Amino acid sequence: GAVVSQHPSWVICKSGTSVKIECRSLDFQATTMFWYRQFPKQSLMLMATSNEGSKATYEQGVEKDKFLINHASLTLSTLTVTSAHPEDSSFYICSARMGMAAFFGQGTRLTVV
Amino acid sequence: ELKVEQNPLFLSMQEGKNYTIYCNYSTTSDRLYWYRQDPGKSLESLFVLLSNGAVKQEGRLMASLDTKARLSTLHITAAVHDLSATYFCAVITGTASKLTFGTGTRLQVTL
Repeated sequence: GAVVSQHPSWVICKSGTSVKIECRSLDFQATTMFWYRQFPKQSLMLMATSNEGSKATYEQGVEKDKFLINHASLTLSTLTVTSAHPEDSSFYICSARMGMAAFFGQGTRLTVV
Repeated sequence: ELKVEQNPLFLSMQEGKNYTIYCNYSTTSDRLYWYRQDPGKSLESLFVLLSNGAVKQEGRLMASLDTKARLSTLHITAAVHDLSATYFCAVITGTASKLTFGTGTRLQVTL
């Protein structure tokens, strides 16, 4: 089946630095990708919808200047957490849809120290 | 605002027993997904339910959808330890086809 690859799987960074997470659709083209955030023992919360060639659509309460999304090609979307703080520590998961199915990346565990 | 609620939130059951997880959602949708998540891992797709009355089965898991009641169920038959995980339902809404996830049900199957 279709595969969505997310990189890195985990990252530790210092407060104030920026971190970029990549999400690739490996064998299909995805005009739309989704970014989710998951805190421990909680559900997935949609952060934003990434649209190829145009601006991302952010959910209410998500700071677009802090979570920069770029969808420059049909197979790659990136999420950059800028000026990261400990409260940004979380599990970030991307998703891409092909037809009726939704495929998820492996997730990225971000720890800000 | 769409709400997707699951119950129970936590379920501890013995091997060999049967149980049902419920997923209620608050607005019209004709597509519902079930996913499994193991600790520290991403989501594994279990079922996609596309229409009212849809029923799908895979191994010891069976999912159904009642769009009129806005209810989906995930039934576990003769549970085994390997089924221990967190299960999420998710509903498609809006023109952007966004997935809204349920609260999750953490299943623990004990020997």
